[in-house]
Amino acid sequence: QVQLQESGPGLVKPLETLSLTCSVSDGSIGSYYWSWIRQPPGEGLEWIGYMDSSGRTNSNPSLKSRLSISVDSSKNQFSLNLRSVSAADTAVYYCARFTHYYDSSCFDYWGQGILVTVSS
Amino acid sequence: DIQMTQSPSSLSASVGDRVTITCRASQSISSYLNWYQQKPGKAPKLLIYGASNLQSGVPSRFSGSASGTHFTLTISSLQPEDFATYYCQQSYSNTRLTFGGGTKVDMK
Repeated sequence: QVQLQESGPGLVKPLETLSLTCSVSDGSIGSYYWSWIRQPPGEGLEWIGYMDSSGRTNSNPSLKSRLSISVDSSKNQFSLNLRSVSAADTAVYYCARFTHYYDSSCFDYWGQGILVTVSS
Repeated sequence: DIQMTQSPSSLSASVGDRVTITCRASQSISSYLNWYQQKPGKAPKLLIYGASNLQSGVPSRFSGSASGTHFTLTISSLQPEDFATYYCQQSYSNTRLTFGGGTKVDMK
């Protein structure tokens, strides 16, 4: 089964850019949508955005102005860049596969998550 | 935005109990409702998709149902490994995916 793995710095300074990469274990990155979700410590889940292999994206309106998501099919990776971060962006960041079924869409595979702390 | 309201926010139960968790959508979402289980320090795990479809490998004691904008996750006989937090999530609005606030199930 497919495995996802997040990587990137665990500490980012305020106003800088948070950059994370998700590596997908099999060659399916061209066949699905790929998403980022975050979870502040002790809180619930927040969808960040997703991209398909053709480059079309949808993102949370609250983050859209600071967000970019990209896919590198040649490396089986997709990435997140969140600009001008603040302490409110401190969270565990998950990458996930967003799969479409006949009557639903869901996050069926998740990475283990990476804690990113925004602090000077 | 479509708001997803879960209830209760927490509950205490014993092994063998029947547990029911409810999620209400602020508008019609057809059957575009998924349920996830999250254990401390772990990523969420998909349990149910499309309101009532059991994800492959998930025990049959988990089931989901829908009635209008009300959705229910039922655990027929709670097992020790089921103590966790459960989240609903709507995928009706693909441009604004939203999760419920979560229901923590702990041991009575």
